[in-house]
Amino acid sequence: GAGVSQSPSNKVTEKGKDVELRCDPISGHTALYWYRQSLGQGLEFLIYFQGNSAPDKSGLPSDRFSAERTGGSVSTLTIQRTQQEDSAVYLCASSKYSTEAFFGQGTRLTVV
Amino acid sequence: AQSVTQPDIHITVSEGASLELRCNYSYGATPYLFWYVQSPGQGLQLLLKYFSGDTLVQGIKGFEAEFKRSQSSFNLRKPSVHWSDAAEYFCAVGPTTSGTYKYIFGTGTRLKVLA
Repeated sequence: GAGVSQSPSNKVTEKGKDVELRCDPISGHTALYWYRQSLGQGLEFLIYFQGNSAPDKSGLPSDRFSAERTGGSVSTLTIQRTQQEDSAVYLCASSKYSTEAFFGQGTRLTVV
Repeated sequence: AQSVTQPDIHITVSEGASLELRCNYSYGATPYLFWYVQSPGQGLQLLLKYFSGDTLVQGIKGFEAEFKRSQSSFNLRKPSVHWSDAAEYFCAVGPTTSGTYKYIFGTGTRLKVLA
């Protein structure tokens, strides 16, 4: 596609439920990143993929968070047993050869 | 460890005035440097980037930034601000050959433009 696509754009979920967030990177981009942006905060790194592998998952805040990437393309970020503190905007970015990163519009997650 | 500092949380300027947003980074060598802009409810849009070479780089929307190695700075400038420039601006350091895979962002500067 022309840009990084994320879905859904908004997600409201009940505390304790599992959610899946999807990222479709720019075609040909081998690097993919997930960041979290909480209200009034900067960007918090979650995980980095190179192809289907995740050399750096140091930013995942707990074992409730997991991510995978298949076919060197689409990535899914899964949050299990959501908590209110998980409410944030989740941003996905992709890049080619780790030069400039291009971001999607984000998924706004609200846990009620 | 790499870090990025944006000392100004909020900046207010009048439309037509000049703008400078500050960014300092901490890294031993010259990293890849970026400025992004985020409008409300939107993702981040790349304004400009510096990899090497000419230390004054031009970007979109009339923005420019100057890399100063001696000051570890990469300040963003615009000669005349437009109301549509009101947004949040993020400075970032890119992945390096030292094994850091991620982009590291500053905490952002929110720009308000007065009519």
